[in-house]
Amino acid sequence: GAGVSQSPSNKVTEKGKDVELRCDPISGHTALYWYRQSLGQGLEFLIYFQGNSAPDKSGLPSDRFSAERTGGSVSTLTIQRTQQEDSAVYLCASSAWRLLAGVDEQYFGPGTRLTVT
Amino acid sequence: AQSVSQHNHHVILSEAASLELGCNYSYGGTVNLFWYVQYPGQHLQLLLKYFSGDPLVKGIKGFEAEFIKSKFSFNLRKPSVQWSDTAEYFCAVILYGNNRLAFGKGNQVVVIP
Repeated sequence: GAGVSQSPSNKVTEKGKDVELRCDPISGHTALYWYRQSLGQGLEFLIYFQGNSAPDKSGLPSDRFSAERTGGSVSTLTIQRTQQEDSAVYLCASSAWRLLAGVDEQYFGPGTRLTVT
Repeated sequence: AQSVSQHNHHVILSEAASLELGCNYSYGGTVNLFWYVQYPGQHLQLLLKYFSGDPLVKGIKGFEAEFIKSKFSFNLRKPSVQWSDTAEYFCAVILYGNNRLAFGKGNQVVVIP
């Protein structure tokens, strides 16, 4: 079926504005992840969902960042009062649950390129 | 601190040359290991993965990787590269029972025709 999709593909916003980034995981994948890819920091984990709950949100860089997942499917990452250092590519991934090993390999979406001016 | 290390961030080689990219991690315990590739303008794709069993893993497009537990390494190899292998390659690790991927900084590989 279809892979992980993300929208928008590009977002330019002014400093101080709020933004919402959307992720549609692969159908049936119970686990969903958000990562951030930036030149200086590489690929960083942000948050993990199992179903609708987020047992690991330790990667969120500040309280301006939040995420939710509804219906065990779509997830939204919200950044409030954006700062220039938030500029990055935000990646979403999803995975199935693998018996005895836990989560399986993660499938990545194309990302949302966020530019804060 | 726990980390994933990839050396030689920029690699330039000619077609038909052999490629080896090193990956070392500092996690104790059981790990699951991955190599992802990002072709220009495309999203991250899985090249290969190691969960258990034979430590020599074969992936797509002629790539293979060897898990050496005693060296905490998972090096990627390809005997003969093609121009289409130009991409950025990322090593990633998950601790068994954990969920987050920890990535290395990546290797930018350029293959000259």
